Parts: sequence; structure tokens; C-alpha cells
Amino acid sequence: TQLLEQSPQFLSIQEGENLTVYCNSSSVFSSLQWYRQEPGEGPVLLVTVVTGGEVKKLKRLTFQFGDARKDSSLHITAAQPGDTGLYLCAGARGKLIFGQGTELSVKP
Amino acid sequence: NAGVTQTPKFQVLKTGQSMTLQCAQDMNHEYMSWYRQDPGMGLRLIHYSVGAGITDQGEVPNGYNVSRSTTEDFPLRLLSAAPSQTSVYFCASSYGGVMGEKLFFGSGTQLSVL
Repeated sequence: TQLLEQSPQFLSIQEGENLTVYCNSSSVFSSLQWYRQEPGEGPVLLVTVVTGGEVKKLKRLTFQFGDARKDSSLHITAAQPGDTGLYLCAGARGKLIFGQGTELSVKP
Repeated sequence: NAGVTQTPKFQVLKTGQSMTLQCAQDMNHEYMSWYRQDPGMGLRLIHYSVGAGITDQGEVPNGYNVSRSTTEDFPLRLLSAAPSQTSVYFCASSYGGVMGEKLFFGSGTQLSVL
């Protein structure tokens, strides 16, 4: 059983579309991170959210931490082919626990 | 800027063979860890270390050994490789430790056990 459930697992969209990736749990986390991973490379941290209800923006990416600190979302506006990759959420609960990832493909 | 360096990049083993995956970081990070990544499973923690001389088990430690004799190096040993250990292995480090600090990852080792 995955402590952190990401959805969807796969997403294929056209350039210019918007999308949202969800990261859900029944457990409370002290913080939540989002990583992006490209083929053949290790994950790279995009953002850390710490406070319930917190919203952070990184250019076209908007990250939100749920009020109860059990869930998070990543919204991408006007997706571009360069956004293609595996997006991983990770919750801090003693150790860092990773979701199973969302494979995003943005076609030109 | 080297960061976290893993070697080798690719490895093929036969069942029962042993080998060591190397990991080195040059950021003077106290915390280092090993993860394995399998399709649809995300990253699962194998072993971690909060400083030289200190190691502890993660979620999936069976079949793997680690040691931390220096701050820089954290090798992962497969004692007797099994096909179930076919995976991509990532080493990661951070300054502070386990509670939500930014992890810096190496580029991974793709291991196949036949």
C-alpha cells in the first residue's frame, strides 16, 4: 500500500494545455516536496511546501499544500514540451516518503 | 560542481554475484541515503546514514549492506544478487537529515540481475 498516492500515473497532453497532478495521503506530513526527473537522471527538487494551505509559484507551475497537510497538487499552465518528465511528490514523516510518480508527456 | 557521483552507470550481474555500488558527495553533507526506483513504485529507501559511522535501515534493506567510514562516501553492497534486485539505484545526500531537507541525487545506476 502506497502511503502517498499520486494521480494520474500517466498524462499525455498537447502543448498549451493546462494540467493538475495530485498527491494524496491519509497521513499528515510536516512538509511536502515536489521533484522532477528526466530520463537517465536523478530527481531534482522543484519546491518544498511547509504550511497548511501554502501556495507557491514557479513560473508556470503552481504548488499547493492542503490545509490539513495530507495532500498537495501541482498545476501547470500552458504546458510546453520541456515540461515532459516524471513528477514525484515526497512527504516528510520521520523519513522522506515518495509517491509513485506521474509520467507527463507534452506533445508539440 | 560534482555534487553526488555514482558509479557505475550500468551493471549486469548473474544471480549470486556480489558487487558494490559507489556513491560520493563533495558538499560535506551529513545525511546520505540509497533508494531503488522500480516502475510504478516511486523511490523506496534502502539504507541511510546521518553521519560517518552511523547507518540505519530504510523500507527495503534486505539483501543490501552499507557502511559510512567517511563523510564523503556511502557504498551500497549487494551480497548475493537476485533478479528481484534488478532496478535503478539512486544515492542522495542532504545537509540536515531526514525531515524534509532538500535531497541532492546522483544520476543513478541501472542494475540488471540475470
